[in-house]
Amino acid sequence: GIQVEQSPPDLILQEGANSTLRCNFSDSVNNLQWFHQNPWGQLINLFYIPSGTKQNGRLSATTVATERYSLLYISSSQTTDSGVYFCAVLPSGYSTLTFGKGTMLLVSP
Amino acid sequence: DTGVSQNPRHKITKRGQNVTFRCDPISEHNRLYWYRQTLGQGPEFLTYFQNEAQLEKSRLLSDRFSAERPKGSFSTLEIQRTEQGDSAMYLCASSSWTGGTEAFFGQGTRLTVV
Repeated sequence: GIQVEQSPPDLILQEGANSTLRCNFSDSVNNLQWFHQNPWGQLINLFYIPSGTKQNGRLSATTVATERYSLLYISSSQTTDSGVYFCAVLPSGYSTLTFGKGTMLLVSP
Repeated sequence: DTGVSQNPRHKITKRGQNVTFRCDPISEHNRLYWYRQTLGQGPEFLTYFQNEAQLEKSRLLSDRFSAERPKGSFSTLEIQRTEQGDSAMYLCASSSWTGGTEAFFGQGTRLTVV
């Protein structure tokens, strides 16, 4: 099956710093989503981004499907950004998402 | 639109007991998915439904697990004769094929088997 690798696995930032999270995948995909898992375990949708670039406030994402990677940018980080960020892909010809192992982000005041 | 709803949020059970979880998807979504997440890992696919038809089951779904989606609305996931290894977060998601394949997740049910 498809391999989804996220880096870095852990990231510690001071409030106000910027960061880039990366997601590499091993095969062609029809869909890619970024999620933030809150402390209670719920997955919050950040971006639905099979290709191209999207921005939502301090967050933006870029997917280059031909090169099989996606990037999530967090600018001016806040303590509330802390948590685990997951990349999930829908491989071509499949109907279910495959998740990476996530990046654990801690933003300290 | 109230989002995907899961009940209960937490369940503690003794080994060997049966448990059942419920998922109510977003009302206009015809696809419903169950995932399991253990500590430090990403969610892993268990099974999915399109309307009332169960179209795919993962190898993770042992014979002790069964899922239903009667009438294509809510879904239940039952685990029989629970084992300590079943302790995990069980997540439900839904999506609308006609509206694209963006999936939305519920709050999850955290199962602890003691």
